[in-house]
Amino acid sequence: GENVEQHPSTLSVQEGDSAVIKCTYSDSASNYFPWYKQELGKGPQLIIDIRSNVGEKKDQRIAVTLNKTAKHFSLHITETQPEDSAVYFCAASRGSVGSARQLTFGSGTQLTVLP
Amino acid sequence: DGGITQSPKYLFRKEGQNVTLSCEQNLNHDAMYWYRQDPGQGLRLIYYSQIVNDFQKGDIAEGYSVSREKKESFPLTVTSAQKNPTAFYLCASSKTSGLEQYFGPGTRLTVT
Repeated sequence: GENVEQHPSTLSVQEGDSAVIKCTYSDSASNYFPWYKQELGKGPQLIIDIRSNVGEKKDQRIAVTLNKTAKHFSLHITETQPEDSAVYFCAASRGSVGSARQLTFGSGTQLTVLP
Repeated sequence: DGGITQSPKYLFRKEGQNVTLSCEQNLNHDAMYWYRQDPGQGLRLIYYSQIVNDFQKGDIAEGYSVSREKKESFPLTVTSAQKNPTAFYLCASSKTSGLEQYFGPGTRLTVT
């Protein structure tokens, strides 16, 4: 089955700096890669996702890049703010539209933005 | 308000008792999922259901059971056969015509 590894497990940055979180996956058939933000005691919130036919996607201060050849994808947060502090999870899945998907998650990155 | 509700937020049980966690959604999503999250770890899939009256085992289904009698509801029963039931349980749903899964607020189960 799929295996997703996520690094680093903890990341501290100064407010205004950029943060990068990296994930690798093992199943070359995976074709959908979402990122979730989880605040303490809450459910994960989908913040951005990318499909395998796209190399990069951006939404304001957040961007995701995908390298299918190397089987890794990354989350980039620019101009970080204290409210960005949370645990971030990457995930991967395979399948087609029209069927339920099994997401395989990374182990999470605790991001702390220092004021 | 559209969304996914899970109740209760906190649940306490004695070892050897079965317990059922509730998950309801009013998003008109076809697919629903149950994940388990342990401290410092990612989410692991327990069960998922694509349509009413049908469900499939995920990676860690042993000791759990589900039902899907209504599109809006997907309750999870943690049985006494589950060896380490204490965890944070998350329910999610998605359109089968789409890719995104949306999560509920979770139920923290503590078994002593």
